[in-house]
Amino acid sequence: GAVVSQHPSWVICKSGTSVKIECRSLDFQATTMFWYRQFPKQSLMLMATSNEGSKATYEQGVEKDKFLINHASLTLSTLTVTSAHPEDSSFYICSAYPTGNTEAFFGQGTRLTVV
Amino acid sequence: AQSVTQLDSQVPVFEEAPVELRCNYSSSVSVYLFWYVQYPNQGLQLLLKYLSGSTLVKGINGFEAEFNKSQTSFHLRKPSVHISDTAEYFCAVSRTGGYNKLIFGAGTRLAVHP
Repeated sequence: GAVVSQHPSWVICKSGTSVKIECRSLDFQATTMFWYRQFPKQSLMLMATSNEGSKATYEQGVEKDKFLINHASLTLSTLTVTSAHPEDSSFYICSAYPTGNTEAFFGQGTRLTVV
Repeated sequence: AQSVTQLDSQVPVFEEAPVELRCNYSSSVSVYLFWYVQYPNQGLQLLLKYLSGSTLVKGINGFEAEFNKSQTSFHLRKPSVHISDTAEYFCAVSRTGGYNKLIFGAGTRLAVHP
């Protein structure tokens, strides 16, 4: 199956700093990637749809200036959490569809802890 | 818009017993339906999916699900569970067509006891 890789798997940062999370499709190209957020013992909530070469589409209630998404190539999307605060601590997961595939493949997730 | 309701937040079951995890959905358009499994601190793995055709769908690890359009349900079943099936299970829906976002249910924690 297709492989989506996230880096880092976990990160701890100080309040007020910015953190970048990478999502790569290793063996396929993806014009669209999705970023989800998952709080402990809760479901995945879609944050935004990342589109290669254009602006991301954010879900209602998601601060686009805080969660910066850049999809600069067909295999890489990045999520930057700017001026992170403890309430941004969460599990962030990305996904992508290989061309012609009806199944979305997920990265292994990134555990962000802001202290 | 689509929505997904997983009726049970937790399902405890003994090893080798059958299990059913319930999922209902709501949508004004045609949808695809999915079941994913998540182990602690990991991403999601697809168990099975319904796109069209036969309403009984078989997936990996012995799981199956049945699509019931009239009841807007997509319940997941396994005739005999193992300890290793202990995980979080998510039902999800997307619009038909390509590369659409997934809407997830709240999840069901399956706890298999010896």
